[in-house]
Amino acid sequence: NAGVTQTPKFQVLKTGQSMTLQCAQDMNHEYMSWYRQDPGMGLRLIHYSVGAGITDQGEVPNGYNVSRSTTEDFPLRLLSAAPSQTSVYFCASSYGGTRLGDTQYFGPGTRLTVL
Amino acid sequence: GQQVMQIPQYQHVQEGEDFTTYCNSSTTLSNIQWYKQRPGGHPVFLIQLVKSGEVKKQKRLTFQFGEAKKNSSLHITATQTTDVGTYFCAGPGGADGLTFGKGTHLIIQP
Repeated sequence: NAGVTQTPKFQVLKTGQSMTLQCAQDMNHEYMSWYRQDPGMGLRLIHYSVGAGITDQGEVPNGYNVSRSTTEDFPLRLLSAAPSQTSVYFCASSYGGTRLGDTQYFGPGTRLTVL
Repeated sequence: GQQVMQIPQYQHVQEGEDFTTYCNSSTTLSNIQWYKQRPGGHPVFLIQLVKSGEVKKQKRLTFQFGEAKKNSSLHITATQTTDVGTYFCAGPGGADGLTFGKGTHLIIQP
């Protein structure tokens, strides 16, 4: 199993550009989520999904969209990139949600810089 | 909303010394998880604690969950260079996701 994969690994954008960060998992996990990690801030939840067709907002959702058309994929869209979105983005998945205490499996991350 | 505070932010130790990081939540937690992130890497699950007063050990690592289920600690005995990284505690958040502490960076001097 590849686990959780993310593409691209690195990306540089100009302010106002849009892009999609890809996340896929091959573990048949129902729950998937996106976090951003900023220096000194830990990880903060952006959006999450408890299954195909179901998504919800996390702690810092503004400026991001998600969709979940399949169990395997959970892309994160930046609609109009801003310098404040410069960060490292991690996708995570698990069998159930975090309220069930399920182990979260993280992808390798995408390092995004917005100029 | 729920906050998870973690101290210290940085810890420098000599190789072979012990290390402890502490985690405190503003609310009672149903469970707490610990993750390790190596420099340039991604968070990797270490352990989950569920019961009040629970203590779990993994080789040189000892994890504790407080009686009130609002605090937790991770203790590493006789640190090694492979222990370098950032250690995060995390509990269930308001949304169906994890609320992470800001992490403790462990720096080991040979």
